[in-house]
Amino acid sequence: GDSVTQMEGPVTLSEEAFLTINCTYTATGYPSLFWYVQYPGEGLQLLLKATKADDKGSNKGFEATYRKETTSFHLEKGSVQVSDSAVYFCALLTQGAQKLVFGQGTRLTINP
Amino acid sequence: DVKVTQSSRYLVKRTGEKVFLECVQDMDHENMFWYRQDPGLGLRLIYFSYDVKMKEKGDIPEGYSVSREKKERFSLILESASTNQTSMYLCASLGVPTSYEQYFGPGTRLTVT
Repeated sequence: GDSVTQMEGPVTLSEEAFLTINCTYTATGYPSLFWYVQYPGEGLQLLLKATKADDKGSNKGFEATYRKETTSFHLEKGSVQVSDSAVYFCALLTQGAQKLVFGQGTRLTINP
Repeated sequence: DVKVTQSSRYLVKRTGEKVFLECVQDMDHENMFWYRQDPGLGLRLIYFSYDVKMKEKGDIPEGYSVSREKKERFSLILESASTNQTSMYLCASLGVPTSYEQYFGPGTRLTVT
């Protein structure tokens, strides 16, 4: 079945460091791909998405490119801030499906 | 502004009690979901519903039931709460095919003592 694999956390970085959180997927057809973020004490919210191969989603300085050849959707940010500390979830939605498939989540902590 | 609301942020119940968690969305979405979130286990889908009065089991339905009598409301029921159901419960809705963004509520942290 469809699945999403994220790099295991927790990840701890210093402010202004470069961030990469890896995400790979297994799916039939051509899924849409998403990154969700969960700030402390809150529900999840959509960070960015890409709906077809080679699309790049971007928001709040974060980017991810839909790579069909490597079945990946890695999240990147050039210079992280303390306020980026959160749990990040990669997810996919296959065509015709009624629900998202989530990765396990990666906890990110940014130290000042 | 789109909204998914959950009836309580924090709830404390005793073992054996019947517990109702309510979720309401104002986006006219067809699909609604209940997840539980536990440290190290990520999000696990309990039940989802793709239409009024329709429901499908998720990955961990045991010990739970759901009700969807109106499109905007999706209830999670713990028939007889147990301590292993202490968790964070997240409700979400998804507009398919109009929108592929899944919106989440703020979560209910349930403690069963």
